[in-house]
Amino acid sequence: DVKVTQSSRYLVKRTGEKVFLECVQDMDHENMFWYRQDPGLGLRLIYFSYDVKMKEKGDIPEGYSVSREKKERFSLILESASTNQTSMYLCASSAETGSNSPLHFGNGTRLTVT
Amino acid sequence: AQSVTQLGSHVSVSEGALVLLRCNYSSSVPPYLFWYVQYPNQGLQLLLKYTSAATLVKGINGFEAEFKKSETSFHLTKPSAHMSDAAEYFCAVTGTSYDKVIFGPGTSLSVIP
Repeated sequence: DVKVTQSSRYLVKRTGEKVFLECVQDMDHENMFWYRQDPGLGLRLIYFSYDVKMKEKGDIPEGYSVSREKKERFSLILESASTNQTSMYLCASSAETGSNSPLHFGNGTRLTVT
Repeated sequence: AQSVTQLGSHVSVSEGALVLLRCNYSSSVPPYLFWYVQYPNQGLQLLLKYTSAATLVKGINGFEAEFKKSETSFHLTKPSAHMSDAAEYFCAVTGTSYDKVIFGPGTSLSVIP
């Protein structure tokens, strides 16, 4: 079974802090994704990566950056956390580029910015 | 451009009753369609997917969905609800490129004993 592990389940940070959310997958997947989940809005794509050191903006990249130095690890960075970034963050991976490859999700990190 | 609507942000059914969760999509290309389920405090997991091989798709835990092109729908059903089905359900559509996975807003399913 594919395992996608997010390093923290809950985080509380202060406004202006730099925040790192870490994600690791163990199935040698090419593609990795970061989503945020908010009630009534579903999941919105922040950034994704098709390969090591490659990154592409999703629908809501503002205020975020990412890093993929190794194939199995994809980090989401909040350069200066703000209260409107309080949300559930979900990391996902998929095996191959292609529209019918399902996403495999981690359990999420619930971030609160005060 | 692709989009997904899910009618009903919250659905309640009695245990043993039919489950029907609605999903309508719009897509400029033949779509790939998915249903995902999210149990409390967990990430999403795949229930089933439609990839044009068959219009009636069977998934895990007794769920199935039927693709109806004329109605642009992909409703999720289960004949008999179980308490363990209580969760959030998301419909998703993709087009030709993976960066355009679009999720619906989700439907929260409650099962009443």
